[in-house]
Order: sequence, then structure tokens, then C-alpha cells
Amino acid sequence: TAGITQAPTSQILAAGRSMTLRCTQDMRHNAMYWYRQDLGLGLRLIHYSNTAGTTGKGEVPDGYSVSRANTDDFPLTLASAVPSQTSVYFCASSPTQAYYGYTFGSGTRLTVV
Amino acid sequence: AQSVTQLGSHVSVSEGALVLLRCNYSSSVPPYLFWYVQYPNQGLQLLLKYTSAATLVKGINGFEAEFKKSETSFHLTKPSAHMSDAAEYFCAVSVRTGGFKTIFGAGTRLFVKA
Repeated sequence: TAGITQAPTSQILAAGRSMTLRCTQDMRHNAMYWYRQDLGLGLRLIHYSNTAGTTGKGEVPDGYSVSRANTDDFPLTLASAVPSQTSVYFCASSPTQAYYGYTFGSGTRLTVV
Repeated sequence: AQSVTQLGSHVSVSEGALVLLRCNYSSSVPPYLFWYVQYPNQGLQLLLKYTSAATLVKGINGFEAEFKKSETSFHLTKPSAHMSDAAEYFCAVSVRTGGFKTIFGAGTRLFVKA
């Protein structure tokens, strides 16, 4: 089934450690996004990429970095995790820049202790 | 700048009753509007979208929404609730400002009582 694959599904991470959340899509969508979802706050955009080779900062980019070496992959890296980064992280994609709506992955539940 | 307000963080209806989830938006340019549904431990799934064609938009699972420019609203409705409709629903607005920017509402959790 075409879509977005996120890994891992869940993770417990010690504060100060680094981690990369993986996101792969097989729909050849140009645009990809990383959101975090926190209770009562909805979804907040962390970083985005309008096309391979380009990235941009969203609403809450501090403490996170991304890369977009090819169309399919859009990993999110936490260089030195802090407890406030405990959240559910969703990767999403769209054919162009969001006109068509997004396809979401199933999410990664991250707990930083 | 655009914004989205979903009225009511929780809505409870009886099975078979009308579902009405409210969404108001603010945008200085013509918006694209979306409703997404999220079931427990899953990602969001697109229910329907308004992209400047018909103002009454039909989506999956019997849901529909009407774009009302004068009221800056995009409320989601379903005539008869099913137990399987229990989920969280998100309204989103996307506008073209250079590139596109999409803002999600805080979500409304729908409870369906037997």
C-alpha cells in the first residue's frame, strides 16, 4: 500500500542523547513535513521541504534538524534531546505545496527521560 | 496571517444523531480548507477539502462541509453518527503566501454514545 512509513513506532530516549526519526514515502510527492502533536496544542510544524534538496523552518524548529537528499526520505534529527521534546511526531507529504492536502504517516511516539 | 479556531475541544452525540463540528478561519487571501480525522494511535487522514470549487464539499464516511465566506466558517457535518465516527477531527487552512502555509486547529474529539 502506497504511503508514508515512519520508524521507529515508539522510543524512550535519555536526555542528552541524539536520535533520528525516519520517514520514507513511495508516492513521489514533492513536499514533505514534520509535525509534532501535543495534547491541547494540535499539530505544530517543525520543518518542511518543498522539494528534494531544499528545507525550511516551521513554527517550532529549535532542537531539530532535517535533510532531504532525495524525494523519498526526510529524516528528522534531535541532536541532544530534552524532556520538552516528548511528543508524537508525524511525517506528512503532499504532491505540491499542500494544495491537495497531506498524507500522514502513523507517527513516532517519543519519550525523553 | 491565517488562523483556525475549532469551537469545542470535545463534542458528544448519541448514535444516530447529527454531528456538527465547528471550524472558523481567518485569512487575508482565499484559503484552501481541509478536515482530517485521527483515530487512536494513527496518523491523520484527509476527510475532505475545499479548493474554491463547490462550496458544499462531500467527503468520506458520509461527512460533508460547507464553505461560508461571509461567516468565515467551514463546519463539518454528518446526518447520523455511528459509533465508528468516534475520533479526533482537525480543521486546517492553507494559503498561498509565496509558498503554501498550512495551519491546523487544535482538534475536536468526538464521542458517540450508544
